[in-house]
Amino acid sequence: AQSVTQLGSHVSVSEGALVLLRCNYSSSVPPYLFWYVQYPNQGLQLLLKYTTGATLVKGINGFEAEFKKSETSFHLTKPSAHMSDAAEYFCAVSDSGAGSYQLTFGKGTKLSVIP
Amino acid sequence: DADVTQTPRNRITKTGKRIMLECSQTKGHDRMYWYRQDPGLGLRLIYYSFDVKDINKGEISDGYSVSRQAQAKFSLSLESAIPNQTALYFCATSDSSLAGVSDTQYFGPGTRLTVL
Repeated sequence: AQSVTQLGSHVSVSEGALVLLRCNYSSSVPPYLFWYVQYPNQGLQLLLKYTTGATLVKGINGFEAEFKKSETSFHLTKPSAHMSDAAEYFCAVSDSGAGSYQLTFGKGTKLSVIP
Repeated sequence: DADVTQTPRNRITKTGKRIMLECSQTKGHDRMYWYRQDPGLGLRLIYYSFDVKDINKGEISDGYSVSRQAQAKFSLSLESAIPNQTALYFCATSDSSLAGVSDTQYFGPGTRLTVL
């Protein structure tokens, strides 16, 4: 069984500061890892994903995440926060292979950006 | 136009009423999913369908039923709504041809359901 832990249900950063949203997972098989973003009153939008290959993954809007197998982590970062980054962010994991359709989500981290 | 649409976007109903939420997609994907989102709990899977004749229960299917009317349409029903079904409901789709390679789910805008 998979699980996802997002540390911090609410994170506040100043505009221009580093954004770091933490995600740790557990999985009995090699995982696929995802970050989704949810803007107010909208659905979830894929930010980036890791399946295989390079462990540093670049996504949209300047975000990136690094898969660290030894730490079972997939933290999301952005060097400089922008006001438009204020949203809720969800980390998700699925099995690689035939079970890849079954996403398990973390509880989400709400990012506030302070002007 | 949006690839995954949901109707209605908002609905208020009373305890005991039957409610249907609808999802349509133009992405040509064969797999479709229904999730509910509750504050602080993330998203939980209610039902999923791999094609018109293949429907499966998810983590929290009790009190819900689904119908896959066509490859592009997947409906969620609450036969007798209760207040703890108040939540945000999302439909999602994915392409099985990418399963095991890059299985990404694409989400609709959500339906906010309130059961009084």
